[in-house]
Amino acid sequence: DAGVIQSPRHEVTEMGQEVTLRCKPISGHDYLFWYRQTMMRGLELLIYFNNNVPIDDSGMPEDRFSAKMPNASFSTLKIQPSEPRDSAVYFCASSSSGHAATNEKLFFGSGTQLSVL
Amino acid sequence: EDQVTQSPEALRLQEGESSSLNCSYTVSGLRGLFWYRQDPGKGPEFLFTLYSAGEEKEKERLKATLTKKESFLHITAPKPEDSATYLCAVQAMVGTYKYIFGTGTRLKVLA
Repeated sequence: DAGVIQSPRHEVTEMGQEVTLRCKPISGHDYLFWYRQTMMRGLELLIYFNNNVPIDDSGMPEDRFSAKMPNASFSTLKIQPSEPRDSAVYFCASSSSGHAATNEKLFFGSGTQLSVL
Repeated sequence: EDQVTQSPEALRLQEGESSSLNCSYTVSGLRGLFWYRQDPGKGPEFLFTLYSAGEEKEKERLKATLTKKESFLHITAPKPEDSATYLCAVQAMVGTYKYIFGTGTRLKVLA
């Protein structure tokens, strides 16, 4: 398996532009998570999906952020309009179950480094 | 509010110098505590899951332990290749299945 695949690896854009980050989870995984990582705040959960349905989006900072999962093999995180404070590394992760008792674990992609100028 | 605090923020060790990393947590019922390793430019990679106080897990030079309020990641005789950021996360019994991460400990092992 190729693991969780994210694109692009790096994105540089200007303030006000729309940014779309993409994620392909591991086949068969039914949970998908979007995280944002900064030095100050560490890894913050933005939203997660179960079977393509958004379950908890309480971490989405504001209406400028939106996420979709149209099918089991693809998800997007969109920022419109982007702002300099959105600059961070965005990670996608997937797992085969959300319940720790089954010894599941998160598999992370390599992340997208976003810079908003 | 569920919270995870890791200390120290950064740690420099000489090769072979054993030490421990701390993860303190506050959670409304612990479903599981997780340790991940993150190398520069990469996503976190799973190390261990601990479920109950008193549990221990080992992998090569790493051993993770768990109490009711904190977890330790013990590193025995570290090597330069152990240099990385170590992240702790918790998942609560109550509420959604989200994982809450600490900000990590940046470990540097000098040859």
